[in-house]
Amino acid sequence: DTEVTQTPKHLVMGMTNKKSLKCEQHMGHRAMYWYKQKAKKPPELMFVYSYEKLSINESVPSRFSPECPNSSLLNLHLHALQPEDSALYLCASSQDFYQESSYNSPLHFGNGTRLTVT
Amino acid sequence: LAKTTQPISMDSYEGQEVNITCSHNNIATNDYITWYQQFPSQGPRFIIQGYKTKVTNEVASLFIPADRKSSTLSLPRVSLSDTAVYYCLEGMDSSYKLIFGSGTRLLVRP
Repeated sequence: DTEVTQTPKHLVMGMTNKKSLKCEQHMGHRAMYWYKQKAKKPPELMFVYSYEKLSINESVPSRFSPECPNSSLLNLHLHALQPEDSALYLCASSQDFYQESSYNSPLHFGNGTRLTVT
Repeated sequence: LAKTTQPISMDSYEGQEVNITCSHNNIATNDYITWYQQFPSQGPRFIIQGYKTKVTNEVASLFIPADRKSSTLSLPRVSLSDTAVYYCLEGMDSSYKLIFGSGTRLLVRP
């Protein structure tokens, strides 16, 4: 069990579909993250939200659209994806995200959404 | 690009102590060193974090020498359930991004 909940666990979508991934945490964390992980590769950072504002967009294609409705929720809206976008999408949260400091409070990850694009 | 270097894989047997070393050749003065564990189809799980010397918790120990150019994660008396990928991370890069290295795949055999 993790304290970061991601839904759905699995998602299959066509290239013309629109879908959303959801992430929720109730630890009072103020930073939330989206990572993408391909098989046998390390997680790759996509987006960082700090205090509900987008702090980092790692040059992610516009077919991925993040949204942070409040400090507990993080969504990732998907549209017109390609088969190569198939991966495990991980959400994480941390207590803080200080850009001015190299200290990083530990990340708490969900178990991800396994996305398959057909 | 990842800032850390660690072995790609390691094998061990149940009951042994396992030490995984990570190189931090360009670590910044203020960087902390953090280790995560990841099982298949799960998100990474925080194990331990330190700045220098030795840190111990209920799961592992972390040894960081005075020059902080390396760190060693020590897992006492491993079991089959410790088979996983272990990642070491240091602070953030110049763009404030937390970058995962390639990870070490640990296989614990009976």
